[in-house]
Amino acid sequence: AQRVTQPEKLLSVFKGAPVELKCNYSYSGSPELFWYVQYSRQRLQLLLRHISRESIKGFTADLNKGETSFHLKKPFAQEEDSAMYYCALNENSGGYQKVTFGTGTKLQVIP
Amino acid sequence: DGGITQSPKYLFRKEGQNVTLSCEQNLNHDAMYWYRQDPGQGLRLIYYSQIVNDFQKGDIAEGYSVSREKKESFPLTVTSAQKNPTAFYLCASSPRTVANTEAFFGQGTRLTVV
Repeated sequence: AQRVTQPEKLLSVFKGAPVELKCNYSYSGSPELFWYVQYSRQRLQLLLRHISRESIKGFTADLNKGETSFHLKKPFAQEEDSAMYYCALNENSGGYQKVTFGTGTKLQVIP
Repeated sequence: DGGITQSPKYLFRKEGQNVTLSCEQNLNHDAMYWYRQDPGQGLRLIYYSQIVNDFQKGDIAEGYSVSREKKESFPLTVTSAQKNPTAFYLCASSPRTVANTEAFFGQGTRLTVV
C-alpha cells in the first residue's frame, strides 16, 4: 500500500523566512511525486513534480529515496505563498494509475 | 477552452435522498478520479476509472457509486447509505499512459445535507 504523510497541518512563518513543508512517502516501486497547491477560492493545481527538478515560484523539492522524503522548500516566504499544499504520489500498476494525496499543510505567511 | 468541469458548485440534499455530481472533461484524458476533501483529512480517493466502462473503488467508496459510459464523463452518486455526505467533492483527470503527468482538477462541488 502506498502512503503519503505530511506531518504538519499548519505552518506559520514570517515573510522573508525560509519555508520547508515536509512530505514522506511509502511506496515499493519507483515513485512519481508531486506538490499541488490550492490558493483561496482557486482550484487545486500542480506546483511542481520531482522528475522536472525545477523551481516554480521559488519553490524546489528534492526526492530523497534513502529517507523516502520529498520536502518542499523556499528560501524566502512571500505573503502570496499562503495556501494549502498537498504532496501526492502516482502509482502505476497493471495498467492502472492511482493518485494518493497527503493530508495537506496550510502555509500561513505572516506579514 | 480545455478543462475539467464540475457541476453544480453548491448542492443541497435532504437526508435519505440520492444525489449525483457531474464531472466532464475535454482533455481527452483516460483516467478520472473522485476525491472527497475534508478539513484536516486531505483528499481521500472515492473511485477512479482508467477507461470507459471500468472503474475501481478507492479508499472510501462505501455509500458512493459511479459510472463511466463516456470517456468525457464520470458522474458520482452519493447515496443515502453514505453516513456523512456533507463535504467538498473534487473530480480530477489525467492521461493514464504517460508517466509523471499530473492530475487536473475541477473547481469542486460542495454538498450539504440538510
